[in-house]
Amino acid sequence: QVQLVESGGGVVQPGRSLRLSCAASGITFSTYALHWVRQAPGKGLEWVAVISFDGSITYYADSVKGRFTISRDDSRSTLFLQMNSLRVEDTAVYYCASPPMARGSYWGQGTLVTVSS
Amino acid sequence: EIVLTQSPGTLSLSPGERATLSCRASQSVSSNFLAWYQQKPGQAPGLLIYGASSRATGIPDRFSGSGSGTAFTLTISRLDPEDFAVYYCQQYGTSPYSFGQGTKLELK
Repeated sequence: QVQLVESGGGVVQPGRSLRLSCAASGITFSTYALHWVRQAPGKGLEWVAVISFDGSITYYADSVKGRFTISRDDSRSTLFLQMNSLRVEDTAVYYCASPPMARGSYWGQGTLVTVSS
Repeated sequence: EIVLTQSPGTLSLSPGERATLSCRASQSVSSNFLAWYQQKPGQAPGLLIYGASSRATGIPDRFSGSGSGTAFTLTISRLDPEDFAVYYCQQYGTSPYSFGQGTKLELK
């Protein structure tokens, strides 16, 4: 079955960096565009970034542009989110997800990032 | 940036009733790339509808999506106890791929 497993979350001070990973199994990873979506505690969903199936195209939310970088390693079926200059308002559960399609949209269980001094 | 506004914020209904959730976009959604998700506490969202009106695999036919352009609706024809959750719309036609703020469907 399809599994997306995020890792790399934790507690970090404002201004520091963190790198999230999302390991995929059960899908042909190199054929999927992939997204990062976050959810602050008790709040709604916020789209963060997307990378095309071949890694040639990336888009970001304005709130993270210039600070976050999405990338992928198809040889390891892994998606990454490099987060620099972290702010308190970046505190959230971060999900990796595949786009909406007929077979569904695959999501991981999420990894919690807490930015606090 | 396309802003999605969902209404109502909270909907209180009973099992067996019909639920109608609205999602309005600040500008036209490209190719009707509009999805609906259901999220239960402590879980990741699950896809219900894609392309504004197509049910994802395995989704019961009591869930239906409609609309185009800037106005979209998710209808649950007869509420089941497991349907009480938060529902989000998302447009994925134009970056940034925004979500609505959510509608909480609660038990009356």
